[in-house]
Amino acid sequence: DAGVIQSPRHEVTEMGQEVTLRCKPISGHNSLFWYRQTMMRGLELLIYFNNNVPIDDSGMPEDRFSAKMPNASFSTLKIQPSEPRDSAVYFCASSLGGDEIPYGYTFGSGTRLTVV
Amino acid sequence: AQSVTQPDIHITVSEGASLELRCNYSYGATPYLFWYVQSPGQGLQLLLKYFSGDTLVQGIKGFEAEFKRSQSSFNLRKPSVHWSDAAEYFCAVGPYGTDKLIFGTGTRLQVFP
Repeated sequence: DAGVIQSPRHEVTEMGQEVTLRCKPISGHNSLFWYRQTMMRGLELLIYFNNNVPIDDSGMPEDRFSAKMPNASFSTLKIQPSEPRDSAVYFCASSLGGDEIPYGYTFGSGTRLTVV
Repeated sequence: AQSVTQPDIHITVSEGASLELRCNYSYGATPYLFWYVQSPGQGLQLLLKYFSGDTLVQGIKGFEAEFKRSQSSFNLRKPSVHWSDAAEYFCAVGPYGTDKLIFGTGTRLQVFP
């Protein structure tokens, strides 16, 4: 298996532009997580899907952020409009776990977003 | 509420020395516990996990961790550190009933030759 695949690896965009980050989870995994990592705030869970349904989006910073999972093999995280404070590394992770037992995550390599 | 504490923000050791990274958790029942490692510019990689049974867990890259219920701890150890072990290490707890992990703030390990 190729693991969790994220694209792009790096994104530089101007303030106000729309940014879309993409994630392909491991085949057969039924949970998907989006995290943001910064020096100041560490690792923050943004949103969590189980069987393509958003379960917990309490970490999404504000309405500028949205996430979708149209099928079991693809998810997007969109920021519109982007702001400099959104600059961070965004990780996608997937898990085999269901509702009861946390099996642990497999992380992608991340997307480093820079908003100028 | 569940939480994870990694008391050491930064640790420096010499190559060949032993290593112990501390992790304390707060959870009312037996938790599922994990250690992850993040090398610079990379995602997090699972080192080992504890679900039940033997409280000493072996992981990849020569790491092990010991679950101590009485101390609410899950410390990570390695008998002899290599320069390639320099990275950031995250402890995480997964409460029963959810697939969501709660991560500690991480410990950055620096290895001197």
